[in-house]
Amino acid sequence: EDQVTQSPEALRLQEGESSSLNCSYTVSGLRGLFWYRQDPGKGPEFLFTLYSAGEEKEKERLKATLTKKESFLHITAPKPEDSATYLCAVQAKTGFQKLVFGTGTRLLVSP
Amino acid sequence: DAGVTQSPTHLIKTRGQQVTLRCSPKSGHDTVSWYQQALGQGPQFIFQYYEEEERQRGNFPDRFSGHQFPNYSSELNVNALLLGDSALYLCASSLGTDTQYFGPGTRLTVL
Repeated sequence: EDQVTQSPEALRLQEGESSSLNCSYTVSGLRGLFWYRQDPGKGPEFLFTLYSAGEEKEKERLKATLTKKESFLHITAPKPEDSATYLCAVQAKTGFQKLVFGTGTRLLVSP
Repeated sequence: DAGVTQSPTHLIKTRGQQVTLRCSPKSGHDTVSWYQQALGQGPQFIFQYYEEEERQRGNFPDRFSGHQFPNYSSELNVNALLLGDSALYLCASSLGTDTQYFGPGTRLTVL
């Protein structure tokens, strides 16, 4: 069964203090790994898709990387507006488009 | 370009009642997926619709049913509501197997 584990569950940073979020996964053939950002009570906002080990994607202060077993979301010099829950999801090659999500990392950036 | 829209925003029902949630996909998208997100958890896949047919289903009882219309919009119906059905219901749309984009969600409270 496809599975995603995210760590830490919660992370508190000072503004400007860089860190990384981890997403470990097991999947029967990876079609894609997805990162989403979710604000309280809102729908997930798409950030990145990674398809193969070694791939990296960047957007502003965020950088996502992928290995055969895990993905990292690196946050460089975060700002308070980066506070949110970050969700990781995998999609298998077999079957259709079901996304399997982790429980997320709640990030709080203090000024 | 409008993104994924969902209605209503909030809904309060009592146990045993039935509810219908609605979703309009992003322009150009033909596939709609529904997810349930309990508080503090990641979204859980309910089912996916493509070409007006249910293409894949997660581990949800038959009380959960859906429909996709010729214009690609979709409905999620839940019968015989239970307290445990209280959650944020998310609709995601995509073009084929591409990235899924989520709507703002419908918050369902069952009393």
